[in-house]
Amino acid sequence: DAKTTQPTSMDCAEGRAANLPCNHSTISGNEYVYWYRQIHSQGPQYIIHGLKNNETNEMASLIITEDRKSSTLILPHATLRDTAVYYCIVGYHDMRFGAGTRLTVKP
Amino acid sequence: KAGVTQTPRYLIKTRGQQVTLSCSPISGHRSVSWYQQTPGQGLQFLFEYFSETQRNKGNFPGRFSGRQFSNSRSEMNVSTLELGDSALYLCASTQPGDTFYNEQFFGPGTRLTVL
Repeated sequence: DAKTTQPTSMDCAEGRAANLPCNHSTISGNEYVYWYRQIHSQGPQYIIHGLKNNETNEMASLIITEDRKSSTLILPHATLRDTAVYYCIVGYHDMRFGAGTRLTVKP
Repeated sequence: KAGVTQTPRYLIKTRGQQVTLSCSPISGHRSVSWYQQTPGQGLQFLFEYFSETQRNKGNFPGRFSGRQFSNSRSEMNVSTLELGDSALYLCASTQPGDTFYNEQFFGPGTRLTVL
């Protein structure tokens, strides 16, 4: 079973920030938080990962709470091409994907 | 650098048959994981191989098996196919380091249809 809980779906206006929450209350001390997204039926694409500190790369920012029980993926300026299913995963060798959040970016 | 490749891309089988799917990881990657994706169950972890050894296994029946070769290429086999095995089978490779960081690179998948 997945170790994370995410909303089933979210909408976002094009050009605005998309904030995708994830709960992972049973995360253990050495487990990273990873975010992937899947567009149509392509293989999932890595977005970002983090352990304790907030992280930022060219695609997104990851905010992890101090107790590490939840995190938020931020797409700063969402575009129509960001419409996808976003998965929040914790783990290492056996990464368990949940149902993910279906993000729809609208014009 | 070439990405993860999976063959075949599409496959049609009938109930009771068996099937073998192949995955070639990114050069230098030693860990290969397999996932099954269906509309009803989403993305489910099947198993992970590292250095020719199965390191982790998901909750699938024994009809699902796999192996990894010395060049890190991996195969998965499904015996006695059932209609419910129709799915997109995804392979992902990673190059495990000394930490728990583990970015996986996914292939395009093999779409299996069981009739």
